[in-house]
Amino acid sequence: GENVEQHPSTLSVQEGDSAVIKCTYSDSASNYFPWYKQELGKGPQLIIDIRSNVGEKKDQRIAVTLNKTAKHFSLHITETQPEDSAVYFCAARVQTGANNLFFGTGTRLTVIP
Amino acid sequence: GAGVSQSPSNKVTEKGKDVELRCDPISGHTALYWYRQSLGQGLEFLIYFQGNSAPDKSGLPSDRFSAERTGGSVSTLTIQRTQQEDSAVYLCASSLALGGQDTQYFGPGTRLTVL
Repeated sequence: GENVEQHPSTLSVQEGDSAVIKCTYSDSASNYFPWYKQELGKGPQLIIDIRSNVGEKKDQRIAVTLNKTAKHFSLHITETQPEDSAVYFCAARVQTGANNLFFGTGTRLTVIP
Repeated sequence: GAGVSQSPSNKVTEKGKDVELRCDPISGHTALYWYRQSLGQGLEFLIYFQGNSAPDKSGLPSDRFSAERTGGSVSTLTIQRTQQEDSAVYLCASSLALGGQDTQYFGPGTRLTVL
């Protein structure tokens, strides 16, 4: 099955700086890569996603890049704010069978005011 | 509109007891997923329902775990003879699963503690 690895496990940045979280996946058949933000006591919330026919996608301060050849994708958050502090999960999906997501182990981002 | 809801939000039980966790998906969503999130870990897939098709149970960790979805809407995850290693947050997600609209929307989860 698919194996998703995520780094770093924790990340602290000063407010206004950029944060980058990286993930790799193992199954070349994966074609959908969402990123979720999880705040304490809440379920994961989708913040951005990318499909395998696209190399980069932006939404205001958030961007995701995908390198299919290297099988890795990254989340970039610019101009970080304290409210960006949360746990971020990357995921990958192989569009066969259950269509379930395979998740990374998460990155705890702390933005220091 | 209403999102995915789950109940109870917290459940404390004794080892060996059975528990039932409930998920109400977003209205009209045909696909429903259960995941488990252990402390400090990512989400682990458990089971998937799509419309009237037979569920995909490939992620269930043991035969103590089962789930059903009645009327294509509400789902119940049942854990029999609970063990301490079952302690985790159980998350439900649903998606429209039509026309490429496959984004999964998660509920707030049920935190299960087995004493």
